[in-house]
This record gives sequence, structure tokens and C-alpha cells, in this order.
Amino acid sequence: GAVVSQHPSWVICKSGTSVKIECRSLDFQATTMFWYRQFPKQSLMLMATSNEGSKATYEQGVEKDKFLINHASLTLSTLTVTSAHPEDSSFYICSARSGQGMDTQYFGPGTRLTVL
Amino acid sequence: KNEVEQSPQNLTAQEGEFITINCSYSVGISALHWLQQHPGGGIVSLFMLSSGKKKHGRLIATINIQEKHSSLHITASHPRDSAVYICALGAAGNKLTFGGGTRVLVKP
Repeated sequence: GAVVSQHPSWVICKSGTSVKIECRSLDFQATTMFWYRQFPKQSLMLMATSNEGSKATYEQGVEKDKFLINHASLTLSTLTVTSAHPEDSSFYICSARSGQGMDTQYFGPGTRLTVL
Repeated sequence: KNEVEQSPQNLTAQEGEFITINCSYSVGISALHWLQQHPGGGIVSLFMLSSGKKKHGRLIATINIQEKHSSLHITASHPRDSAVYICALGAAGNKLTFGGGTRVLVKP
């Protein structure tokens, strides 16, 4: 099946710094990528939808200036958490749509962010 | 009322038992997804359904569009099946709406 990778798998950073998370589709071209966050024992929450070559569409309540998304190619999307604070500590997951078949999405393994 | 409800929230089974997880929803959908999330956090897509029934190994997923209900069955459960199983609704724009998940523990 299709493979989506994320890097890094975990990161610890100091408050105020910025962190970039990469999401790559390894064996297919992803026309659309989605970014989610998940707090402990809670379900996934969609943050934004990213289409290659265009601006991301953010869900209500998600600050676009804080969570910068870039989808520069059909195989790579990045999420940058700017000026991170402890409340940004969470599990961030991306998924990618292959564009083949109805609503097929493949999930990355996730990135655990801890902000001290 | 949530658009998608899963039951039970938690389930403990003995190895070898048959497990059923239910998902009810209240909106129109283009497809329904069953996902598996292991303790490490990674998510695996198990099934995508728009009608009928699908089977993969020991896993079976069914959906009744008229009743807006889907079930995920695990036959001959094994400790490695221990995970959180999530029902997600697919709609226009490929956005997914997630259920709260069912935490499954299979004891040896």
C-alpha cells in the first residue's frame, strides 16, 4: 500500500522556538495533504487542508500565522509551529490523498511535539 | 449530538473471542473509514466503505447506508489486535470526521 512518512517522529523544543514537521508521500503523488493534531486520549482534529501549489485551508479556530503550512511539491508538505508554547505540545499527524479512487487517504506515523 | 458515535468506548476481550465495534452517524457521507491506531500513535487505514461488506484477513467491515450504521468485526482476536479503532466519515472535499474511538484490549 501507499506509504506516508513524517519527520521527525518526535521533537522536544524550548518555548519560543519554531519547529518544522515534514510529511512525505513516498510512492505516490499527493494532490492533497491534511494536517491533524491529537491530544492524549482524544480523537484527531483536522487543522488544515493543503493542496499542492496553493494556500492551505485552515479549520475554524486554527491560527494560520502560528501553524504555517507549505505544500511545495506533490510529495512534500511541511507544518511549521512558530513561537511554540507548552500548550502546542501534541501529536501531529498528516495524511495524504492519492487522487486515485474515492477519498483514499494514507496516514503518516505522526510526530510527537513537546514544548518545554 | 455528535455526527458520529462509536460504541463501546472500551472493550476487553480474551484471545480468540469475536469482537464487534459499532459506528452510527447522522449525516450523508461519501465513504466511511475504519482506522487502527496503535499505542505508538501511528494510524493504519483498515477499510474504506461506501456500501456492503469488506473482508481482510480476520477483519470484516459492514455498512448499512439506509440505517447509517457500520460495524467492524475482529474474528479470532489476538493480543496484537489491541489498539484504538476509529470510525471516520468521509465527505465532500475529502475531509474526515472522526468518531471518539474504541479502545480494544485483547488479553492472552
